[in-house]
Amino acid sequence: QVQLVESGGGLVKPGGSLRLSCAASGFTFSDYYMSWIRQAPGKGLEWVSYISSSGSTIYYADSVKGRFTISRDNAKNSLYLQMNSLRAEDTAVYYCARDGGYCSSTSCYNWFDPWGQGTLVTVSS
Amino acid sequence: DIQMTQSPSSLSASVGDRVTITCQASQDISNYLNWYQQKPGKAPKLLIYDASNLETGVPSRFSGSGSGTDFTFTISSLQPEDIATYYCQQYDNLPRRTFGQGTKVEIK
Repeated sequence: QVQLVESGGGLVKPGGSLRLSCAASGFTFSDYYMSWIRQAPGKGLEWVSYISSSGSTIYYADSVKGRFTISRDNAKNSLYLQMNSLRAEDTAVYYCARDGGYCSSTSCYNWFDPWGQGTLVTVSS
Repeated sequence: DIQMTQSPSSLSASVGDRVTITCQASQDISNYLNWYQQKPGKAPKLLIYDASNLETGVPSRFSGSGSGTDFTFTISSLQPEDIATYYCQQYDNLPRRTFGQGTKVEIK
């Protein structure tokens, strides 16, 4: 079955770095765009970054631009998020999600499905 | 960014009740709206896409409607397993998708 498994979260000091990984299985990883989405404790959902299937197109939320780097290795069916210059406000559960959808003759559809179980990143001194 | 405003932020209802959640976009997003369910300690799950299309395998008691700026999510008969937080999410402004703040549904 389609599965996404994140790893790499943990406790890091402000200004520190962390690299998250997301292992994909059950589908042709190289065919799909992927995204990272985060959720601060007790808060809502925030889209963080997106990467196209080939890795040639990348976008970031303004809140992480210049500090985070998304990448992928299609040969390893893996997605990554390199997080530098971490701040307390980056504390969150980070989810990877398949960024799917399609266009019909009349409209285009897009969704995050499925999501991984998430990995907790805590930025604190 | 497009702002999504959900209401109420929480609600309490009895089993079998009809539950309605609204989501308002800060600008016209056509039908480009999804609804997700997040159970405690779990990842979100896609329920409805394109405002009203039920994802495969999702019970028919869930439904969505609306277009433009105003959208509605309905549970026709609340079940104990529906206890969760529900989020709307726009995809009109790809790839900068935004979510509503969530609506927590509890059993009375």
